[in-house]
Amino acid sequence: EDQVTQSPEALRLQEGESSSLNCSYTVSGLRGLFWYRQDPGKGPEFLFTLYSAGEEKEKERLKATLTKKESFLHITAPKPEDSATYLCAVRANVNNDMRFGAGTRLTVKP
Amino acid sequence: GAVVSQHPSRVICKSGTSVKIECRSLDFQATTMFWYRQFPKQSLMLMATSNEGSKATYEQGVEKDKFLINHASLTLSTLTVTSAHPEDSSFYICSASGQGANYGYTFGSGTRLTVV
Repeated sequence: EDQVTQSPEALRLQEGESSSLNCSYTVSGLRGLFWYRQDPGKGPEFLFTLYSAGEEKEKERLKATLTKKESFLHITAPKPEDSATYLCAVRANVNNDMRFGAGTRLTVKP
Repeated sequence: GAVVSQHPSRVICKSGTSVKIECRSLDFQATTMFWYRQFPKQSLMLMATSNEGSKATYEQGVEKDKFLINHASLTLSTLTVTSAHPEDSSFYICSASGQGANYGYTFGSGTRLTVV
Protein backbone atom coordinates (compact mmCIF):
# COMPACT_ATOMS: atom_id res chain seq x y z
CA GLU A 1 0.00 0.00 0.00
CA ASP A 2 1.24 3.48 -0.85
CA GLN A 3 2.48 5.35 2.18
CA VAL A 4 3.76 8.84 2.79
CA THR A 5 5.41 9.78 6.08
CA GLN A 6 6.55 13.27 6.95
CA SER A 7 8.91 14.26 9.71
CA PRO A 8 9.17 16.04 11.97
CA GLU A 9 5.53 16.58 12.85
CA ALA A 10 6.36 20.08 14.04
CA LEU A 11 9.44 22.25 13.73
CA ARG A 12 10.23 25.53 15.43
CA LEU A 13 13.06 27.62 14.03
CA GLN A 14 14.55 30.98 14.73
CA GLU A 15 14.54 33.41 11.84
CA GLY A 16 17.57 32.66 9.70
CA GLU A 17 18.03 29.13 11.07
CA SER A 18 18.10 26.81 8.07
CA SER A 19 16.67 23.30 8.29
CA SER A 20 15.12 20.46 6.28
CA LEU A 21 11.78 18.69 6.24
CA ASN A 22 11.60 15.03 5.31
CA CYS A 23 9.06 13.08 3.27
CA SER A 24 9.55 9.31 3.06
CA TYR A 25 7.42 7.36 0.64
CA THR A 26 6.68 3.88 -0.59
CA VAL A 27 4.74 3.68 -3.83
CA SER A 28 4.38 1.21 -6.64
CA GLY A 29 5.71 3.43 -9.37
CA LEU A 30 6.11 7.12 -8.69
CA ARG A 31 4.41 9.51 -11.10
CA GLY A 32 5.31 12.59 -9.16
CA LEU A 33 6.10 13.84 -5.67
CA PHE A 34 4.45 17.11 -4.77
CA TRP A 35 5.19 19.70 -2.10
CA TYR A 36 2.59 22.16 -0.91
CA ARG A 37 2.32 24.93 1.62
CA GLN A 38 -0.90 25.15 3.59
CA ASP A 39 -1.86 28.08 5.77
CA PRO A 40 -4.51 27.63 8.50
CA GLY A 41 -8.02 27.42 7.07
CA LYS A 42 -6.76 27.48 3.47
CA GLY A 43 -6.30 25.00 0.70
CA PRO A 44 -2.84 23.74 -0.28
CA GLU A 45 -0.66 26.03 -2.35
CA PHE A 46 1.47 24.23 -4.91
CA LEU A 47 5.23 24.57 -4.50
CA PHE A 48 7.04 21.87 -6.47
CA THR A 49 6.67 18.63 -8.39
CA LEU A 50 9.58 16.19 -8.63
CA TYR A 51 9.49 13.20 -10.93
CA SER A 52 12.78 11.34 -10.76
CA ALA A 53 15.57 10.60 -8.29
CA GLY A 54 18.23 13.26 -8.36
CA GLU A 55 15.88 16.00 -9.43
CA GLU A 56 16.03 19.31 -7.57
CA LYS A 57 13.87 22.42 -7.72
CA GLU A 58 14.21 25.79 -6.06
CA LYS A 59 11.94 28.68 -5.28
CA GLU A 60 13.15 31.58 -3.18
CA ARG A 61 14.26 30.14 0.17
CA LEU A 62 12.95 26.64 -0.61
CA LYS A 63 14.72 23.79 -2.34
CA ALA A 64 13.21 20.36 -2.90
CA THR A 65 15.23 17.24 -3.62
CA LEU A 66 14.23 13.67 -4.42
CA THR A 67 15.73 10.22 -3.98
CA LYS A 68 14.16 6.83 -4.62
CA LYS A 69 12.84 6.67 -1.07
CA GLU A 70 12.45 10.21 0.20
CA SER A 71 12.29 13.88 -0.53
CA PHE A 72 13.64 16.80 1.42
CA LEU A 73 12.39 20.35 1.53
CA HIS A 74 15.30 22.53 2.51
CA ILE A 75 14.53 25.95 3.95
CA THR A 76 17.39 28.41 3.87
CA ALA A 77 17.39 31.40 6.22
CA PRO A 78 13.66 31.17 6.90
CA LYS A 79 11.54 34.19 7.72
CA PRO A 80 8.43 34.35 9.94
CA GLU A 81 6.25 34.44 6.83
CA ASP A 82 7.47 30.95 5.98
CA SER A 83 5.49 29.66 8.95
CA ALA A 84 2.90 27.19 7.64
CA THR A 85 2.20 23.50 7.31
CA TYR A 86 4.17 21.89 4.52
CA LEU A 87 2.52 18.91 2.87
CA CYS A 88 4.09 16.21 0.78
CA ALA A 89 2.05 14.04 -1.59
CA VAL A 90 2.79 11.29 -4.08
CA ARG A 91 1.03 10.15 -7.20
CA ALA A 92 1.54 6.49 -8.09
CA ASN A 93 1.10 4.46 -11.22
CA VAL A 94 -1.67 2.21 -9.98
CA ASN A 95 -3.90 4.86 -8.52
CA ASN A 96 -4.51 8.11 -10.29
CA ASP A 97 -5.01 9.97 -7.05
CA MET A 98 -2.66 11.67 -4.67
CA ARG A 99 -1.63 10.35 -1.26
CA PHE A 100 -0.76 13.00 1.27
CA GLY A 101 1.48 12.94 4.28
CA ALA A 102 0.26 14.42 7.54
CA GLY A 103 2.43 17.48 7.09
CA THR A 104 5.10 19.33 9.03
CA ARG A 105 3.96 22.40 10.96
CA LEU A 106 6.75 24.94 10.66
CA THR A 107 6.96 27.94 12.97
CA VAL A 108 9.64 30.55 12.40
CA LYS A 109 10.19 32.93 15.29
CA PRO A 110 11.54 36.43 14.66
CA GLY B 1 -3.96 31.30 -14.33
CA ALA B 2 -5.50 27.98 -13.24
CA VAL B 3 -7.60 29.28 -10.37
CA VAL B 4 -10.14 27.21 -8.49
CA SER B 5 -12.80 29.00 -6.49
CA GLN B 6 -14.55 27.17 -3.67
CA HIS B 7 -17.63 28.36 -1.80
CA PRO B 8 -18.66 28.78 0.89
CA SER B 9 -15.50 29.12 2.96
CA ARG B 10 -17.39 28.41 6.15
CA VAL B 11 -20.80 26.93 6.84
CA ILE B 12 -22.63 25.97 10.00
CA CYS B 13 -25.68 23.77 9.67
CA LYS B 14 -28.05 21.89 11.89
CA SER B 15 -27.85 18.15 12.21
CA GLY B 16 -30.05 16.44 9.64
CA THR B 17 -29.87 19.17 7.01
CA SER B 18 -27.95 19.11 3.74
CA VAL B 19 -25.13 21.37 2.67
CA LYS B 20 -23.82 22.05 -0.83
CA ILE B 21 -20.24 23.07 -1.53
CA GLU B 22 -19.28 24.47 -4.92
CA CYS B 23 -15.96 24.24 -6.70
CA ARG B 24 -15.46 26.31 -9.84
CA SER B 25 -12.56 26.49 -12.26
CA LEU B 26 -12.32 30.14 -13.24
CA ASP B 27 -9.97 30.15 -16.21
CA PHE B 28 -9.67 26.60 -17.44
CA GLN B 29 -11.78 23.58 -18.21
CA ALA B 30 -11.69 21.14 -15.33
CA THR B 31 -12.09 17.71 -16.86
CA THR B 32 -11.36 16.08 -13.51
CA MET B 33 -12.27 17.24 -10.02
CA PHE B 34 -11.08 15.74 -6.76
CA TRP B 35 -12.73 16.13 -3.37
CA TYR B 36 -10.72 15.80 -0.18
CA ARG B 37 -11.52 15.86 3.50
CA GLN B 38 -9.09 17.03 6.16
CA PHE B 39 -9.40 16.62 9.91
CA PRO B 40 -7.43 18.90 12.25
CA LYS B 41 -3.70 18.25 12.12
CA GLN B 42 -4.21 15.37 9.72
CA SER B 43 -3.51 14.85 6.07
CA LEU B 44 -5.91 15.33 3.19
CA MET B 45 -7.90 12.19 2.46
CA LEU B 46 -9.28 11.71 -1.03
CA MET B 47 -13.03 11.16 -0.96
CA ALA B 48 -13.89 10.92 -4.63
CA THR B 49 -12.80 11.69 -8.16
CA SER B 50 -15.19 12.96 -10.80
CA ASN B 51 -14.82 13.38 -14.52
CA GLU B 52 -17.08 15.83 -16.29
CA GLY B 53 -20.27 14.17 -17.38
CA SER B 54 -19.57 10.91 -15.56
CA LYS B 55 -20.46 9.48 -12.21
CA ALA B 56 -17.96 10.08 -9.46
CA THR B 57 -15.63 7.34 -8.28
CA TYR B 58 -15.65 7.12 -4.52
CA GLU B 59 -12.84 5.92 -2.31
CA GLN B 60 -13.38 2.91 -0.12
CA GLY B 61 -15.31 3.81 3.00
CA VAL B 62 -16.88 6.96 1.58
CA GLU B 63 -20.66 6.76 1.43
CA LYS B 64 -21.79 7.81 -2.02
CA ASP B 65 -25.35 8.38 -0.87
CA LYS B 66 -24.18 10.73 1.84
CA PHE B 67 -21.63 12.68 -0.17
CA LEU B 68 -23.28 13.47 -3.48
CA ILE B 69 -20.95 14.74 -6.17
CA ASN B 70 -22.10 16.39 -9.36
CA HIS B 71 -19.74 17.41 -12.16
CA ALA B 72 -22.15 18.40 -14.87
CA SER B 73 -19.99 21.04 -16.53
CA LEU B 74 -16.33 21.66 -17.23
CA THR B 75 -16.23 24.53 -14.77
CA LEU B 76 -18.36 23.39 -11.85
CA SER B 77 -18.43 20.49 -9.43
CA THR B 78 -20.54 20.31 -6.31
CA LEU B 79 -20.33 18.22 -3.17
CA THR B 80 -23.54 17.86 -1.20
CA VAL B 81 -23.35 16.50 2.32
CA THR B 82 -26.78 15.01 2.91
CA SER B 83 -28.38 14.60 6.32
CA ALA B 84 -25.29 16.01 7.96
CA HIS B 85 -24.25 14.88 11.42
CA PRO B 86 -21.66 16.33 13.80
CA GLU B 87 -19.13 13.69 12.74
CA ASP B 88 -19.27 15.16 9.22
CA SER B 89 -17.76 18.36 10.56
CA SER B 90 -14.48 18.77 8.76
CA PHE B 91 -12.52 20.81 6.24
CA TYR B 92 -13.47 19.93 2.66
CA ILE B 93 -11.14 20.83 -0.22
CA CYS B 94 -11.52 20.43 -3.95
CA SER B 95 -8.84 20.17 -6.58
CA ALA B 96 -9.14 20.32 -10.34
CA SER B 97 -7.10 19.41 -13.36
CA GLY B 98 -7.57 19.88 -17.06
CA GLN B 99 -6.12 21.66 -20.03
CA GLY B 100 -4.21 24.61 -18.66
CA ALA B 101 -4.11 23.21 -15.15
CA ASN B 102 -1.71 20.41 -14.48
CA TYR B 103 -2.61 17.60 -12.14
CA GLY B 104 -2.00 18.48 -8.53
CA TYR B 105 -1.50 22.16 -9.20
CA THR B 106 -4.78 23.78 -8.30
CA PHE B 107 -6.71 23.49 -5.08
CA GLY B 108 -9.69 25.39 -3.80
CA SER B 109 -9.43 27.41 -0.62
CA GLY B 110 -11.47 24.89 1.35
CA THR B 111 -14.79 24.84 3.18
CA ARG B 112 -15.01 24.53 6.95
CA LEU B 113 -18.21 22.62 7.72
CA THR B 114 -19.53 22.60 11.25
CA VAL B 115 -22.62 20.54 12.01
CA VAL B 116 -24.35 21.42 15.26
